Amino acid sequence: SSELTQDPAVSVALGQTVRITCQGDSLRSYYASWYQQKPGQAPVLVIYGKNNRPSGIPDRFSGSSSGNTASLTITGAQAEDEADYYCNSRDSSGNIWVFGGGTKLTVL
Amino acid sequence: EVQLVETGGGLIQPGGSLRLSCAASGFTVSSNYMSWVRQAPGKGLEWVSVIYSGGSTYYADSVKGRFTISRDNSKNTLYLQMNSLRAEDTAVYYCARTSSGPYWYFDLWGRGTLVTVSS
Repeated sequence: SSELTQDPAVSVALGQTVRITCQGDSLRSYYASWYQQKPGQAPVLVIYGKNNRPSGIPDRFSGSSSGNTASLTITGAQAEDEADYYCNSRDSSGNIWVFGGGTKLTVL
Repeated sequence: EVQLVETGGGLIQPGGSLRLSCAASGFTVSSNYMSWVRQAPGKGLEWVSVIYSGGSTYYADSVKGRFTISRDNSKNTLYLQMNSLRAEDTAVYYCARTSSGPYWYFDLWGRGTLVTVSS
């Protein structure tokens, strides 16, 4: 099965912009989805498809994709954005899904 | 209210069996793709299994042959039967409503149920 690779940790100053990336062969065939997870809580979908936000997700969250890399961008990071972020896509085989290892975002 | 509630977790010895349940409200399980996702303590998310609205099922290699996903339409509930459990199956297990295309994502998650495999 395919793998999705994320940087383990990223930091951003309050109010600045941060990009979290996800690399994998499956991203050439499928868009990534992105999940935010805070300690002790279930994951929450923040971005899916080309650049779609579920209802209730602030518009400072956006997504993009190029080749085998998907990116989640937070423009004007807030303290409440500090969390783990996971990318996910269908595997190239089509009937299984794969998550990235997660990126811990620290807002300074 | 649209929600998922998992139950059935607990402490189980290696080699044992456990069945997890995921009760849905506010939508129909059988009309959706539904998945199980797990998270070992301090680790990342791992997709486990999916059941399509048409009934087809698929599994991660790590659980294939040991876990079975199913649903009871009359109870609007998703299940995960876990057999031959191993220490490495210790995790919080989440059920998640899964999109059916053209974009693929998990848009509704339960709060999870903890499974601990230990002697």
